[in-house]
Amino acid sequence: KAGVTQTPRYLIKTRGQQVTLSCSPISGHRSVSWYQQTPGQGLQFLFEYFSETQRNKGNFPGRFSGRQFSNSRSEMNVSTLELGDSALYLCASSRGTAQETQYFGPGTRLLVL
Amino acid sequence: AQTVTQSQPEMSVQEAETVTLSCTYDTSESDYYLFWYKQPPSRQMILVIRQEAYKQQNATENRFSVNFQKAAKSFSLKISDSQLGDAAMYFCACVANSKLTFGKGITLSVRP
Repeated sequence: KAGVTQTPRYLIKTRGQQVTLSCSPISGHRSVSWYQQTPGQGLQFLFEYFSETQRNKGNFPGRFSGRQFSNSRSEMNVSTLELGDSALYLCASSRGTAQETQYFGPGTRLLVL
Repeated sequence: AQTVTQSQPEMSVQEAETVTLSCTYDTSESDYYLFWYKQPPSRQMILVIRQEAYKQQNATENRFSVNFQKAAKSFSLKISDSQLGDAAMYFCACVANSKLTFGKGITLSVRP
């Protein structure tokens, strides 16, 4: 099976812009979770989508949003970018049961100038 | 809510030796799983090993094994016969209700 894929892999934006990141889960997986990784804060949970519905949400401002499509692909959007949004954004997929193992994509590295 | 604590930021091991990475966790859930993930310089997060909390037997995957002490809420990873390719950042994580919580990670270096 193909693994989790994320596009783009690298992105440079300026403050105030918005960005959309994409994640394609492993075939058959219905849950997609997003994480932000920074040197200072480590790995922080953003949100999780299951069957096109947001099932869990972390403590991030409303500028961070996401959605999931009927084919389980997910997108994450960040509006009004701030310098502090520079990070590695990781997506993980699982079959969707509560304690299922999550498998990660290679990440999208976002740099905000 | 759950928390995962990895108190050692860095460790070093001689090639072919054994090293143990420590982790403690806290959760109010009775049904949870524990994981160790490896993140090499490529930044791809790779699953190393998984432990179901309801199982008393410690999980083992080739050179990797865990010491799961449920009462103490401790979940350490032992790497035997360390190899140069084991050099990476290792994250301990806990999942309950589909929410995965990570520790801060530990950077493991392997000396040839």
